Order: sequence, then C-alpha cells, then structure tokens
Amino acid sequence: GGIITQTPKFLIGQEGQKLTLKCQQNFNHDTMYWYRQDSGKGLRLIYYSITENDLQKGDLSEGYDASREKKSSFSLTVTSAQKNEMAVFLCASRQGASAETLYFGSGTRLTVL
Amino acid sequence: GNSVTQMQGQVTLSEEEFLFINCTYSTTGYPTLFWYVQYPGEGPQLLLKVTTANNKGSSRGFEATYDKGTTSFHLQKASVQESDSAVYYCVLGRNNYAQGLTFGLGTRVSVFP
Repeated sequence: GGIITQTPKFLIGQEGQKLTLKCQQNFNHDTMYWYRQDSGKGLRLIYYSITENDLQKGDLSEGYDASREKKSSFSLTVTSAQKNEMAVFLCASRQGASAETLYFGSGTRLTVL
Repeated sequence: GNSVTQMQGQVTLSEEEFLFINCTYSTTGYPTLFWYVQYPGEGPQLLLKVTTANNKGSSRGFEATYDKGTTSFHLQKASVQESDSAVYYCVLGRNNYAQGLTFGLGTRVSVFP
C-alpha cells in the first residue's frame, strides 16, 4: 500500500499573499493531480502532471502555479490569495493515464483573512 | 464534453433504511464509472467501479449498475448504518484521458440511529 501526505493540514493566509501547498506520494505513481473542493461545487481540477517536470492546466488553473520537480512530489502555489476564500485542496495520484483508481490525500484547508 | 449529474444534494435516513442515490452521465463512447466516498476529515476513496457497460459493481453492501441505455449509474444499499454517513460522488473516467476524472457535485448522506 501507499499514502499521500499533504502539508499543511490547515493554512491561514492574508489577502494578496503567496501560499504554497505540498503533496508527497509513495505509491510511485506517474500522474498527480490538484483538485479544489468547495461546498456544493464538487471537485474541480486545478493542475495535473503526468510525469516529473510535466505540468498541465485543468479547468481552474487561473490564480495558481504548480511544480513537479520529483516524481513523488507535487506542489501548488496560490499566487495571490483572495480575501474570504475558503476551500479544501486535495492532492491525488494514480498510475498511468488510464481510468484507474485515484488515491487522495486528506486535504489542506485554506482560509484567507 | 463530459458531465455527471447527481440531483440529490442531501439524503437523510434512519438506520436499516434503503439508500438510493441517482446519477446520470453524459459522454461519448464507453467510460469507466466510479462511486467515491468521502468521510469527514478525509479525502475521497474508491467505493466501487464498473468498466463494462451493463455490468454491476458492488462493495461493502453497496451496488451500482452501469446502464448504457439510460446513461445512469445509480448507487443503492439495502440497509444503511450510521457509519455510512458520508459524501458520495458519482464519477466518470475516460481511458487515456490523463486529465483525470469528472466528478458529480456529491450527495451528503446522513444516517441516524
């Protein structure tokens, strides 16, 4: 088995601040994802990466940057946090590009004051 | 494009009652269909998946049938327990689509003793 570790679990920032969320997986999976989860809106894809140093934009990439410097890690940066923004950011991984099982971390909850 | 519709935002039941969550999808071809479940404080995890049209998947007492004719993938359980309280997501996956899965908005199930 494996695990996806997201840090930090809770992140509080100020408006306009640049904030970075980190994700590590030990499944040795090729593909990693960042989703944003808002109440009542389901999960929306921000960025994904099919291999080390690859980055692909999802539907919600504006206002975010991502980095995949190692196969095991995938970080997400909120480039300028918006006031009153509150969401859970979920990292996930799976092997390959086919419709296989996606494994999720437990999330980072972001609050912007 | 791909889409998944879950009409029920919330379902409230007593223990041992029958659970039914409606899910319909829209896409071309033959997707893989999933149900993911998310417990409080955790990321979503796979509950069941079906890769072949007109087949049934089952896990932990839950069942779902991939109905290509009605483009539906409803989830049901004959007798729920309080521990089934969670958010349930109907999800569509396409082979060779690295961008991952299309999630429904989720159905929050609350089971009371």
